Amino acid sequence: EAEVAQSPRYKITEKSQAVAFWCDPISGHATLYWYRQILGQGPELLVQFQDESVVDDSQLPKDRFSAERLKGVDSTLKIQPAELGDSAMYLCASSLGQTYNEQFFGPGTRLTVL
Amino acid sequence: AQRVTQPEKLLSVFKGAPVELKCNYSYSGSPELFWYVQYSRQRLQLLLRHISRESIKGFTADLNKGETSFHLKKPFAQEEDSAMYYCALTTQGGSEKLVFGKGTKLTVNP
Repeated sequence: EAEVAQSPRYKITEKSQAVAFWCDPISGHATLYWYRQILGQGPELLVQFQDESVVDDSQLPKDRFSAERLKGVDSTLKIQPAELGDSAMYLCASSLGQTYNEQFFGPGTRLTVL
Repeated sequence: AQRVTQPEKLLSVFKGAPVELKCNYSYSGSPELFWYVQYSRQRLQLLLRHISRESIKGFTADLNKGETSFHLKKPFAQEEDSAMYYCALTTQGGSEKLVFGKGTKLTVNP
């Protein structure tokens, strides 16, 4: 069964360092989402792609976060420089992109910033 | 702005007892509502969605537009139902992003 892949699964970094997360969606899924989940909270959307285009990045802290999906397939989320408050689970999800279509989630990357 | 509220952080019931996980939402338009579940050491996954009107693993959820609620119910809880449950909504004609509640951790005791 096809699944969303993410790497790394865990990342520990020091503040002011740069980190990058990778996501490979289910083949054929046009829409890709990056969510951030702080401990004790529900996931919150950071950025949404439709193919290679950004649809929604209204909650992405653009001074330090960037995301790309160059060929409309896999995606990278980068944080530079990392801050203590960035410690969270970063979830990637994908969907076919049709109205109310199910989103399939990856296992997430647990980021700890020291 | 859209908001989803799950008032119970933790919910504990005994096996065979009925269970209800509460969800209230605020949105001026017509949202579509979902319940997502995360079992221990597994990924977040869709449990059910209002638009499908289906029952999954014995769970049902009824949309009450008057009370802006979408409570999840099961008449007889099983130990394997123990998990983290998230209520979420998406907006019609929007970017299809999910707005999640903070989640309720359900524990079903033997």
